Amino acid sequence: EIVLTQSPGTLSLSPGERATLSCRASQSVSSSFLAWYQQKPGQAPRLLIYGASSRATGIPDRFSGSGSGTDFTLTISRLEPEDFAVYYCQQYGTSPYTFGQGTNLEIK
Amino acid sequence: QLQLQESGPGLVKPSETLSLTCSVSGGSISSSSYYWGWIRQSPGKGLEWIGHIHYTGSAYYNPSLKSRVTISVDTSHSQFSLRLSPVTAADTAVYYCARRGPYGSGSYFDYWGRGTLVTVSS
Repeated sequence: EIVLTQSPGTLSLSPGERATLSCRASQSVSSSFLAWYQQKPGQAPRLLIYGASSRATGIPDRFSGSGSGTDFTLTISRLEPEDFAVYYCQQYGTSPYTFGQGTNLEIK
Repeated sequence: QLQLQESGPGLVKPSETLSLTCSVSGGSISSSSYYWGWIRQSPGKGLEWIGHIHYTGSAYYNPSLKSRVTISVDTSHSQFSLRLSPVTAADTAVYYCARRGPYGSGSYFDYWGRGTLVTVSS
């Protein structure tokens, strides 16, 4: 099983700042089959990024993904108030399809 | 706009069977490109993929749950279902249904239901 480790666990930033979230895999993720999701309290996860770097439909361009192999990054270029949430990475290349434990992006 | 909605009992007794149904609207469950999956979220284990199914009935399960899980599809009612048996307190979680894209580059979950909390307790 591929274990995904996200860091930091909690990130405290202010609106307007840049956020950099990390997802590290215990083994190489096939063909960069890695997705990022955003989850707000009481809501389902929302797809942001797939294929490590492709934005899902309707996702603002301040969200970007990068990386390959075992190291992936989600960057939010300029934080808006609605961006404060929990972010999860997920690999969908190798069964079982696993999720990271999440990064809580909170307002400083 | 595709919508998914989970339904089922919110309380299940230990050793019994958890049964949930996901109703799909705004799109066809019989599309050859997509799979229909279940994911759960608990404080202890985070997000966990349970399994997914194609409208043809081909199902795929997480090995850690495979011996206890069955996912089925009812195309005539545009629904798919999850059965988990027997359950323990560790199965207490919010259960989500979601659409999964084609195998390979599209296999992420792009549409999710709102989730339903299932508590296992006597």
